[in-house]
Amino acid sequence: GENVEQHPSTLSVQEGDSAVIKCTYSDSASNYFPWYKQELGKRPQLIIDIRSNVGEKKDQRIAVTLNKTAKHFSLHITETQPEDSAVYFCAASITGNQFYFGTGTSLTVIP
Amino acid sequence: KAGVTQTPRYLIKTRGQQVTLSCSPISGHRSVSWYQQTPGQGLQFLFEYFSETQRNKGNFPGRFSGRQFSNSRSEMNVSTLELGDSALYLCASSLGLAGVPEQFFGPGTRLTVL
Repeated sequence: GENVEQHPSTLSVQEGDSAVIKCTYSDSASNYFPWYKQELGKRPQLIIDIRSNVGEKKDQRIAVTLNKTAKHFSLHITETQPEDSAVYFCAASITGNQFYFGTGTSLTVIP
Repeated sequence: KAGVTQTPRYLIKTRGQQVTLSCSPISGHRSVSWYQQTPGQGLQFLFEYFSETQRNKGNFPGRFSGRQFSNSRSEMNVSTLELGDSALYLCASSLGLAGVPEQFFGPGTRLTVL
């Protein structure tokens, strides 16, 4: 089955700096890659996603890039703010039926 | 639209007991997936139901089972509870269509096994 690896497991940045989280996947058939943000004690929230026919997608301060050849995708957060502090999960899926998640990145934004 | 809801939010059980968790998806969503979340293992896929049929299954023992009703509500059952079953159990719903894969999570049920 699919295997998703996520790095780093923890990340600390100064407020205003950028944060990058990287994921790799193993199954070339995966075609949908969502990112979730989970604040302490809350449910994972879908923040951005990308499909295999697109190389990059942006939504305000967050962006996701996908390299199908290398089988990796990344989350980029610019101008980080304290409220960006959370655990971020990447996932890979084939047509959305079954999702395989990375182990999460705990992001801390230092004011 | 109301979001995904799960009941109960917290459960405390003892080893050997069984437990049933419930998940109500977003209105119109026909797919419900269940996940186990633990600090060391992240989000582990249990199974997915679509139109009352189990469509996908993860690598969990047979003690973990589920079902889905005609109104798309889903239940998950764990029998003969073990200490290691203590976790946050999340369900997620989606339309279940290949072209619309977005999945949305419920708040979870925190299960503690003593």
